[in-house]
Amino acid sequence: EVQLVESGGGLIQPGGSLRLSCASSAFIVSSNYMGWVRQAPGKGLEWVSVIYRGTRTYYADSVRGRFTISRDNSKNTVFLQMNSLRADDTAVYYCARIDPDRSGHVADYWGQGTLVSVSS
Amino acid sequence: QSVLTQPPSVSAAPGQKVTISCSGGSSNIGNNYVTWYQQLPGTAPKLLIYENNKRPSGIPDRFSGSKSGTSGTLAITGLQTGDEADYYCGTWDSSLNGGVFGGGTKLTVL
Repeated sequence: EVQLVESGGGLIQPGGSLRLSCASSAFIVSSNYMGWVRQAPGKGLEWVSVIYRGTRTYYADSVRGRFTISRDNSKNTVFLQMNSLRADDTAVYYCARIDPDRSGHVADYWGQGTLVSVSS
Repeated sequence: QSVLTQPPSVSAAPGQKVTISCSGGSSNIGNNYVTWYQQLPGTAPKLLIYENNKRPSGIPDRFSGSKSGTSGTLAITGLQTGDEADYYCGTWDSSLNGGVFGGGTKLTVL
């Protein structure tokens, strides 16, 4: 069953903006920790941003000040607003749920990923 | 450079056992649980082990995890060709105040 569906990726020029969406069909996003993980071509996984219950958020140093995570409870959707995009932001971006009841920052459900390509 | 250190690759024959290490420090593995993920080619990561040694429903007991000090280990027994994948460790880092991953280990089943 499909639980997290990302959208919004695409080809964008350096300096441009994109907004990624992650719609949940099985979780109430406001009751969970929701995050974005990216994977550059041929590279490993990197936590980009997380939104916890309430207003607490996390950003990787590489995106702080350029990316903003948010959620729309009425749409049960999490967003990642990406501004001032750079070539090194090129990656597949995965949406993931972090289980608040398990210790160690456990991402137990993942979306299928959406590709963001930053190039002129 | 990843916060957690994993070997880039490991290999073993079908039916054999392989272990993958994940080394960290006191701000991460030393004081937190280790998680392991499996990423099959072209797919999203999948949770394999959490809280050092617990398996989610549906994960076979051929996969096991352990932790000692600032290192975690994933063991896979009875290797199958379908186990060929990239494996990542992860945990919480209290210095960074965020989640961290290892660089990933590519498993080849010869």
